[in-house]
Amino acid sequence: AQTVTQSQPEMSVQEAETVTLSCTYDTSESDYYLFWYKQPPSRQMILVIRQEAYKQQNATENRFSVNFQKAAKSFSLKISDSQLGDAAMYFCAHRWLDRNVFGPGTRLSVLP
Amino acid sequence: DVKVTQSSRYLVKRTGEKVFLECVQDMDHENMFWYRQDPGLGLRLIYFSYDVKMKEKGDIPEGYSVSREKKERFSLILESASTNQTSMYLCASSLNGGLYTEAFFGQGTRLTVV
Repeated sequence: AQTVTQSQPEMSVQEAETVTLSCTYDTSESDYYLFWYKQPPSRQMILVIRQEAYKQQNATENRFSVNFQKAAKSFSLKISDSQLGDAAMYFCAHRWLDRNVFGPGTRLSVLP
Repeated sequence: DVKVTQSSRYLVKRTGEKVFLECVQDMDHENMFWYRQDPGLGLRLIYFSYDVKMKEKGDIPEGYSVSREKKERFSLILESASTNQTSMYLCASSLNGGLYTEAFFGQGTRLTVV
């Protein structure tokens, strides 16, 4: 079975600081994609960043980067220079066939 | 911009009622999904469809059905609503173009069954 685990239900970070959200997954597939989605209080879920399993280089998107450890099946999200607008639920997802399997989410608070 | 629109943001229904949740996307995506979101459980897939009139069960299909008569529209049906179906429901769509394609989500419908 494909599973995604996020062990931190809640986290907080000071504005302008860096925070890392953890994610582990389980899969028997050799080629797959991993995603981080953000769900702000407005509830509109949006893609933050994606990573292909075959690529060794970690993906980056501006202040967002990932630490992808394929052997350990770990996919953490690092947010640098945190901003108030980063406060949201963050979901890690593993793309399997035509569907995504989501983790339980981490609620991130950003403190001014 | 891709737009996925759900017909209601908030809905209150009575136990035993038949409930329809509607979702429309405007980007000609083949795949459409219905998820249920509950605290601590993340998003769980109820049903998905990869083409008109096609549907596949997800992880928690019991008590739900779906309809996809047109490519842009995917409806979730609660045949006889029960209080344990009180939840947030999210619709999503994506291209059928490979593993890298992202999902685009609607704004969610918070359903309360009383």
